[in-house]
Amino acid sequence: GENVEQHPSTLSVQEGDSAVIKCTYSDSASNYFPWYKQELGKRPQLIIDIRSNVGEKKDQRIAVTLNKTAKHFSLHITETQPEDSAVYFCAASIYGGATNKLIFGTGTLLAVQP
Amino acid sequence: GAVVSQHPSWVICKSGTSVKIECRSLDFQATTMFWYRQFPKQSLMLMATSNEGSKATYEQGVEKDKFLINHASLTLSTLTVTSAHPEDSSFYICSAPLAGEVGELFFGEGSRLTVL
Repeated sequence: GENVEQHPSTLSVQEGDSAVIKCTYSDSASNYFPWYKQELGKRPQLIIDIRSNVGEKKDQRIAVTLNKTAKHFSLHITETQPEDSAVYFCAASIYGGATNKLIFGTGTLLAVQP
Repeated sequence: GAVVSQHPSWVICKSGTSVKIECRSLDFQATTMFWYRQFPKQSLMLMATSNEGSKATYEQGVEKDKFLINHASLTLSTLTVTSAHPEDSSFYICSAPLAGEVGELFFGEGSRLTVL
């Protein structure tokens, strides 16, 4: 079945450094790739997304790149801050019969050390 | 942004009982809602797609008779965990997209179920 792989599972960086999280997907028909941030016990919050007709998107300290040929996409966070510490999930859209659905990666626990 | 509200936020029940979780879209109509389950330190696993006015679509391996989904209106979907057992203890979270092309999912607060 369709799946989304995410690496690394944990990532520890020093405040001010950059963090990169990578995902690969299996369904070549996927056309929407969001990234969510989830703090402990809370709901996931969208931080950035990209569609298949775009190769890169940036929003302040956060950027996402997409390589459709290789079927992988990455999240880049620059100038990390302690408040960036959370679990990050990538996702890819899958067409499941009558509707599109999102399949999530396994998550990355990001710890930003002050 | 759109708001999705989920209730209850946490529930403790005895083994063998049933628990109902409600998911409401507060400021938009949701013809489709998605139910996910999240075990501690794990990912969001899609359980089923709830469709207003029709039967839910369940993911492989999810028992439809155990996890009953009802989507009776454009703003409300419910998930009932029937005959709950300790292994059903988990964080259940619903989400809904805005109508139209595939895009952002708006998540509810989630419901933490503990089955004793």
